[in-house]
This record gives sequence, C-alpha cells and structure tokens, in this order.
Amino acid sequence: GIQVEQSPPDLILQEGANSTLRCNFSDSVNNLQWFHQNPWGQLINLFYIPSGTKQNGRLSATTVATERYSLLYISSSQTTDSGVYFCAVAWNTDKLIFGTGTRLQVFP
Amino acid sequence: DGGITQSPKYLFRKEGQNVTLSCEQNLNHDAMYWYRQDPGQGLRLIYYSQIVNDFQKGDIAEGYSVSREKKESFPLTVTSAQKNPTAFYLCASSHRGGTLGRETQYFGPGTRLLVL
Repeated sequence: GIQVEQSPPDLILQEGANSTLRCNFSDSVNNLQWFHQNPWGQLINLFYIPSGTKQNGRLSATTVATERYSLLYISSSQTTDSGVYFCAVAWNTDKLIFGTGTRLQVFP
Repeated sequence: DGGITQSPKYLFRKEGQNVTLSCEQNLNHDAMYWYRQDPGQGLRLIYYSQIVNDFQKGDIAEGYSVSREKKESFPLTVTSAQKNPTAFYLCASSHRGGTLGRETQYFGPGTRLLVL
C-alpha cells in the first residue's frame, strides 16, 4: 500500500515565525488532505489538495503529484496553530492513509 | 448546526465487556468511517460504509463490529475480542458524489476508550 511520511516529526516555534511541513508519499494519489488536530483531539480539514496550490488565510498548501510530495506552509504562526498536522492520501478509494503527523508547538 | 456528534466523550470498559460508540451526522453524507488513534500515532481505518446497509473492513477490523441501518448513524461496537482497545476513536463522514475517493472527510470530536 501507499506509504506516507511526514517531516519534521516535531516543530517548536515562537509566535510570528513561519514554517513548512512536508508530506512524502510512495505512490500515485488522487486524494490528498491536510488536517489539523487540536490539543483536544478534534480534527479539522485544512485542505483538499491532490495537486496544485491553495491558500486560506495564513495557511497555504502545494502538492506536486508527479514528485510525490505536498507542503503545508504556516505564516505568522499563532499559539492557536499548536497541535498535530496530518497528511492523508488515497488512490481511487475512500480509504485514506494517514501519516504519523507533525507536532507543532507555538510559544508566545 | 450541521456536523458530526460522537458519544460518549469518555468510555470505560471492563474486561470481557462489549461497548458501543455512537456516531451521528446531519450533513446528509453517504459515506461514514471509523478510525482508531493510538498515542503519538496517525489514524488507522477500522470500518467504513459507503451506503446504508453496507460496510467494509478497514485495516484493523478484528475485534470490532459496525452497523449502518440509517444514513445518519454508524455505531461501532468494541467487542471482548479486541484485546487492546484503549485508544481514541474518531468517526468521519463524506459525500460520495463524483469520482470515488475524491471527497473531503469531516471528523467528529472523538471518544476516548479506557480499559479498567
């Protein structure tokens, strides 16, 4: 099956800093989603981005499907950005495969 | 408000006991999913259902059972056969219009199951 690797595993930032999270996947995908899990466990969908670039406020994402990676950019980070960021992928199926996540801590 | 609800928030199970986790959605989504998350890990798929009265096993279905009698509801039973059930359980749903596998999934708040 498709393997998903996320890096870095942990990231510590001061408020206002920018960061880039990476998701590598081992095979072709036509479904790629980025999620944020807050400290209480709730997962929020950030982007559905199997290819191309999208932006939503301080967050943006780019997926280069031919090179099998996706990047999530967080600009001007805030303490509320803390949590775990997951990348999940699939190919012609409802069965998403999740990476192990990047744990982000933003300090004031 | 539209969304996905899960109950209870916390659940304690005794050895040999079956317990059922509730998941309800009012988003009119066709597909529903159950995931398990262990500490420091990603999510793993237990079961999923694309339409009423039909469901498929995910990657870790052993020791779990589900039913899909109504579009809005997808309860998960953790049976006594599941030897290590302590985990965080998340339910999700999505539309199934268009090409298979190209729909955003939305998650409920989760249920934490602890074994006594």
